[in-house]
Amino acid sequence: EVQLVESGGGLIQPGGSLRLSCAASGFIVGSNYMTWVRQAPGKGLEWVSVLYSGGHTYYADSVKGRFTIFRDNFKNTVYLQMNNLRVEDTAVYYCAREGSSSGGYWFDPWGQGTLVIVSS
Amino acid sequence: QSALTQPASVSGSPGQSITISCTGTSSDVGDYNYVSWYQQHPGKAPKLMIYDVTYRPSGVSSRFSGSKSGNTASLTISGLQAEDEADYYCSSYTRSSSYVFGTGTKVTVL
Repeated sequence: EVQLVESGGGLIQPGGSLRLSCAASGFIVGSNYMTWVRQAPGKGLEWVSVLYSGGHTYYADSVKGRFTIFRDNFKNTVYLQMNNLRVEDTAVYYCAREGSSSGGYWFDPWGQGTLVIVSS
Repeated sequence: QSALTQPASVSGSPGQSITISCTGTSSDVGDYNYVSWYQQHPGKAPKLMIYDVTYRPSGVSSRFSGSKSGNTASLTISGLQAEDEADYYCSSYTRSSSYVFGTGTKVTVL
């Protein structure tokens, strides 16, 4: 079964750092495009970042320079390193596979999400 | 990148058909056939319902269909059922190699 499980969320003060993990099963992270999407409480979905199988990365302007997406192929896990966190980064963070191993421009499956609260 | 524009809410009676619009620009919806739709029930992760404008993933009901004209994509739900009550989001690939989501539409089954 293809599955994603996120972890690492929690309460953090503004300016702090947090690393989210997304462990995959049923497929190889390194052969796929992996994405992070977030959802602020009561708000809509916001695309955050993508890591291509070849290593290229892209970020939303709102997190560029503060967030880093990377993977550990041995652990079949994708990470989102979040630095200099702001109150407006408070959200549920979802990881998702982008397309399939042969490409595509959709998100499936999604993890269950992990909540990040940035507050003093 | 501004969010794609969706109506805040759409409602219909069981058995009816409803359509949700998703309006973008020539830099996203209008430039690519890479629009997807997601269903999200409260407290749950989004679920892929439509990809590449018109394609349904395996396991998604044929009551869900997608289309696009110019800068506007649409999701139609036919034979509305109580279980269809949820939030729906569109998404499009963009020229800047990123993605943009829609503002979201709450579907209510009367």
